[in-house]
Amino acid sequence: NAGVTQTPKFRVLKTGQSMTLLCAQDMNHEYMYWYRQDPGMGLRLIHYSVGEGTTAKGEVPDGYNVSRLKKQNFLLGLESAAPSQTSVYFCASTAASRNEQFFGPGTRLTVL
Amino acid sequence: GENVEQHPSTLSVQEGDSAVIKCTYSDSASNYFPWYKQELGKRPQLIIDIRSNVGEKKDQRIAVTLNKTAKHFSLHITETQPEDSAVYFCAAKVGTSYGKLTFGQGTILTVHP
Repeated sequence: NAGVTQTPKFRVLKTGQSMTLLCAQDMNHEYMYWYRQDPGMGLRLIHYSVGEGTTAKGEVPDGYNVSRLKKQNFLLGLESAAPSQTSVYFCASTAASRNEQFFGPGTRLTVL
Repeated sequence: GENVEQHPSTLSVQEGDSAVIKCTYSDSASNYFPWYKQELGKRPQLIIDIRSNVGEKKDQRIAVTLNKTAKHFSLHITETQPEDSAVYFCAAKVGTSYGKLTFGQGTILTVHP
């Protein structure tokens, strides 16, 4: 089992460009989450999904969109990147009947 | 919504000493409190967790204590080793929140040989 995987691992964008981050899990988890991690601020929830076709806003959703067309995949999109979106992005998943969240390896995004 | 405060932000100890990291939470409906360890450049990984119906839990050199009345919980690491050096995050989950975790700001633990 690969667990939770993320692509790409690194990306550099120019202000105004768009991109999509892909998260995939092979554990048949119902719930999936996107976080951003910034120094001194811990992990902050951007969006989450409780099942295929459903998404909801987290703590810091502005400037991001998400989609979950398949249960195993959760996509995070930036339509018009801004320097404030420079961060490390982590995806996580958990089973509805459990508590532990499993994290992906992260994507380091730099917006110039 | 839930708010989690974590202290200290940095902690430096000598090998063999104990380390304690403390967190407070705001929502009395929180019922699950995990601790994650994140090594440099790696993903966060769960090291120990506790549910609200338990006051203390131990796993070898690490332990977590929970005081529901005061709404705080702590991570205790005994006999620290250099490989314990990492960033540690506490988190809290409100009972009806679809598994959503609210994280503390993190503590950078450095264990000096």
